Amino acid sequence: DSGVTQTPKHLITATGQRVTLRCSPRSGDLSVYWYQQSLDQGLQFLIQYYNGEERAKGNILERFSAQQFPDLHSELNLSSLELGDSALYFCASSVYDRGSGNTIYFGEGSWLTVV
Amino acid sequence: EDQVTQSPEALRLQEGESSSLNCSYTVSGLRGLFWYRQDPGKGPEFLFTLYSAGEEKEKERLKATLTKKESFLHITAPKPEDSATYLCAVLSTGYSSASKIIFGSGTRLSIRP
Repeated sequence: DSGVTQTPKHLITATGQRVTLRCSPRSGDLSVYWYQQSLDQGLQFLIQYYNGEERAKGNILERFSAQQFPDLHSELNLSSLELGDSALYFCASSVYDRGSGNTIYFGEGSWLTVV
Repeated sequence: EDQVTQSPEALRLQEGESSSLNCSYTVSGLRGLFWYRQDPGKGPEFLFTLYSAGEEKEKERLKATLTKKESFLHITAPKPEDSATYLCAVLSTGYSSASKIIFGSGTRLSIRP
């Protein structure tokens, strides 16, 4: 168990709909990352937040948005869903430790199926 | 452009047959290189972080090494339970100095009993 919690684990929804994926990072981790993993592609970086502020943006569609709340949990909002959005969405969190440096831990992912 | 390339894409070994997986990278400022193991439908499981050329880390049958341009994941006398996709990722400083993690496409390792 990595300590990163994602909900829901599975989600089936129709095209055009909107969904929200939730992530609770490891206790004490300030950085949260979101990734998308499709069958035909590897892990694609979407966005990173650090202590509530957007830190880095990857290939995130305009239909997608995210935020990190004061309690450090994060939500990824996916709207106007298309069939191609079906994928495994991962959240990860990181902490910097003087001894081990940056360590990034992943949750078990949220399976999104758009029908 | 920052890039991470893993080879081979897939590797099939007999149990006990040692081999190495390669991760080559081109980034604008390396802050760390990670190895993960991923089982189908599961989240990547952290294995190692390497920071500087010459660094080595070991865990059971796995050993990770780092040079200025690539990293190797050596697997010694593998067992069927080592079958998984192994992912390499780099943490770099982007154009805006924001940190971002870039993943390779992975090596699918299959160990036959």
